[in-house]
Amino acid sequence: DTAVSQTPKYLVTQMGNDKSIKCEQNLGHDTMYWYKQDSKKFLKIMFSYNNKELIINETVPNRFSPKSPDKAHLNLHINSLELGDSAVYFCASSHLFQGAEAFFGQGTRLTVV
Amino acid sequence: TQLLEQSPQFLSIQEGENLTVYCNSSSVFSSLQWYRQEPGEGPVLLVTVVTGGEVKKLKRLTFQFGDARKDSSLHITAAQTGDTGLYLCAGAGSNYQLIWGAGTKLIIKP
Repeated sequence: DTAVSQTPKYLVTQMGNDKSIKCEQNLGHDTMYWYKQDSKKFLKIMFSYNNKELIINETVPNRFSPKSPDKAHLNLHINSLELGDSAVYFCASSHLFQGAEAFFGQGTRLTVV
Repeated sequence: TQLLEQSPQFLSIQEGENLTVYCNSSSVFSSLQWYRQEPGEGPVLLVTVVTGGEVKKLKRLTFQFGDARKDSSLHITAAQTGDTGLYLCAGAGSNYQLIWGAGTKLIIKP
């Protein structure tokens, strides 16, 4: 009964390829997020969706495009992958109120070679 | 821009010792959370503090929110090897966004 599940857990791909990471939550939350954690462990928000609508869009290259088909899913598609995209990507979900707990997936370790 | 600074960035101590890690900002937060992240996993919430001066205890972990709600500390008493992990603080910013610190990597040696 995984609360926030993302696939794949590991992704190794060549520069220039296009890849997608999928995320699903079964917690009934109305808000989902994508975070990027680099090698220094700094957690940086990329996108946030509330009820399938984009509410946070940080400075992220246009090659990254989130898609939310419904409240329980938020997928991340990355075009023309670059070496610098290598990182761990976390999906998370929460209710939308101050201090709401964020529940994270296990992460997808993306390695671009 | 709201920023959260955590210190120290890295801490390695022997089992049984006490330690304190800090989370500081020049901004006021309506609430602040502490998460722990273990290798290969996502962060997991430990506690949320809301009121200035609030102190919460979770077994051997004591969390304090500063009076002005700009800073917080996490104190661990008699550290155990199971406490090893990355400790992240996150403040509730505008637009319901969590502002994250860079984390303190804690290693407890047996």
